[in-house]
Parts: sequence; structure tokens; C-alpha cells
Amino acid sequence: GEDVEQSLFLSVREGDSSVINCTYTDSSSTYLYWYKQEPGAGLQLLTYIFSNMDMKQDQRLTVLLNKKDKHLSLRIADTQTGDSAIYFCAEGYSGAGSYQLTFGKGTKLSVIP
Amino acid sequence: NAGVMQNPRHLVRRRGQEARLRCSPMKGHSHVYWYRQLPEEGLKFMVYLQKENIIDESGMPKERFSAEFPKEGPSILRIQQVVRGDSAAYFCASSLAGLNYNEQFFGPGTRLTVL
Repeated sequence: GEDVEQSLFLSVREGDSSVINCTYTDSSSTYLYWYKQEPGAGLQLLTYIFSNMDMKQDQRLTVLLNKKDKHLSLRIADTQTGDSAIYFCAEGYSGAGSYQLTFGKGTKLSVIP
Repeated sequence: NAGVMQNPRHLVRRRGQEARLRCSPMKGHSHVYWYRQLPEEGLKFMVYLQKENIIDESGMPKERFSAEFPKEGPSILRIQQVVRGDSAAYFCASSLAGLNYNEQFFGPGTRLTVL
């Protein structure tokens, strides 16, 4: 079955780079995503990458995809206190008549001022 | 330009009662997804609906859970005879279309607590 794994916690100093890692199992995934969840809020799509790409950059965010190892990472440059949140990795695949997302458990990013 | 709306935001029920969770998709979206997030877990897909149709309910528990998305009004996730294990955050998402990549926009969730 599909499974997405990510480390649970990450702590960085303000101004440093954060790297959040994720591994997934379904090689037929079409897109891979990073979502951000702030306390008490829903999920906000940060960025996504198509499975035939290996890198995508969007302002302070860089996504790297190693399809051979099924490894996805999110790098946040110049991390700010407002980046403190839970970050979910997700893979998308076509299931029984629908397009489904499978999420990891989330990585809680704490930014130290 | 309202996003996905869910209500109530918090719901407390005693064991054996019914829980009804409502979701209004973004304007113009006719595809709705329900996900459940158990404590310290990721979101798990439950069901995907279009107006008046359940398209994929492969993630729904076989008993006590049902979902609908009527022609008029919000989508409803209904949990009958709730048990403590149903305590979770239930998120609704909507999209413009349902195939391949279409961004799913998430609501703020309903946090269900079963006493």
C-alpha cells in the first residue's frame, strides 16, 4: 500500500535554512506536494512537483525529488519565525476513479529567534 | 472570495450520539473530498464526491460513516453512534475538477471530540 514517511520534528535558528525530508512508496505517483498547517488551521498548499522533474524552485522554497530513491525534500531558505508550522509531504495518485492524496504524519518546524 | 468552509469548527459528542459535519466547497468547485486526521497522524483519504454522486469511498469505514453532497447545500459527513476512536480532525477539500492534478483547497477542519 501507499505510505509516506517524514521525520516528526525539526528545529532551526531564524535566518538558517530548513530542510524537511520525506520518503514515499508509490512509484506511480504523478505529483508530490508540500502542505503547511498552522495551529488550528487547514492545510495550505505550498508547492508541488511533477514526478518527472527533479527540482523546482519557488522564491525561498526549493523542492528536490529523487525518484529512484523515492525521496522528496523541501528546503526553506532564510527561515523566519512565521515559517513555524507543521509541514506535510503528500503524494498524489489515481485511485478507484479518483485522484487521491496520501499524507505523511507531518514535520513540526520550530524556528528559534 | 470565501475559501472552503466547514462547520462546526469544534464538535463534542458523547458515545452513541450522531455527528454531522458540514462542508461548503469553494465557489465554482463541484468536487469534494473528506480526510480524517487522527492525533499525531497524517491526513487519510475517506471519500470523494461530486454533486449527488459518491465517486470513491474506498477510505470510508464500512459501518456508521456516510457522506453526501446534495444538489443544493453543503456536503455532509455523518457519523452514527460515535465511539472514542472517532475523535479526530475531519478536513474537507474541494477542487475544480477531480482527475489527475487539480489543486485541492482545504477547509479549516472540524475537530470532533467523543467523550
